[in-house]
Amino acid sequence: DIVMTQSPLSLPVTPGEPASISCRSSQSLLHRSGYQYLDWYLQKPGQSPQVLIYMGSNRASGVPDRFSGSGSGTDFTLKISRVEAEDVGVYYCMQTLQTRSFGPGTKLEIK
Amino acid sequence: QVQLQASGPGLVKPSETLSLTCTVSGGSISNNYWSWIRQPPEKGLEWIGYIHYTGSTTNYNPSLKSRVTMSIDTSKNQFSLKLTSVTAADTAVYYCARLLEGQWLGSYYYHYMDVWGKGTTVIVSS
Repeated sequence: DIVMTQSPLSLPVTPGEPASISCRSSQSLLHRSGYQYLDWYLQKPGQSPQVLIYMGSNRASGVPDRFSGSGSGTDFTLKISRVEAEDVGVYYCMQTLQTRSFGPGTKLEIK
Repeated sequence: QVQLQASGPGLVKPSETLSLTCTVSGGSISNNYWSWIRQPPEKGLEWIGYIHYTGSTTNYNPSLKSRVTMSIDTSKNQFSLKLTSVTAADTAVYYCARLLEGQWLGSYYYHYMDVWGKGTTVIVSS
């Protein structure tokens, strides 16, 4: 089984400042197709999760361009260029290479 | 705009079977894959599995595989989850989601969960 870890688990950020979340997998998420099999989701307080990024770096429809995903193999990063108040919530990475499994989540809060 | 709504008994007794239905509105269930995810109280997300709209393909979380069955009813625009022999550890908010075709990879699509239902709470208790 592929185990996902994230850091930090808690991330206080000042509005307007950048934020970065790291996600690591116990095995490479590079598929034979050459693509990275990793997605990012955000669960805002009291809401269902919503997709932000798929295949490591593809922004889903309607997602603001301040969100970006990067990385390869076992190390991935979600970056928010300028945090806004509406970005508060728990961010999850999820591998899709072998069935699917989520990371533990990173809680972003506003300072 | 596609919307999903999970429904079912909010209380299930230990050792019994949890049965949930997800109703798809605003679009047809007869394309894409459809998924279930759960979230225990104050914990993170756990992927349960997915089913193809034809019902011919399913993929379950290995840790739940022996207890999970998913099915689909295209005539009702619904898909379902059954989880047998439940315990308190199965207490969670259960979400259903659509797996949308994302990028074409040459012989198949990469899918990701683009629409999620609001979730339904299931408590396992006697």
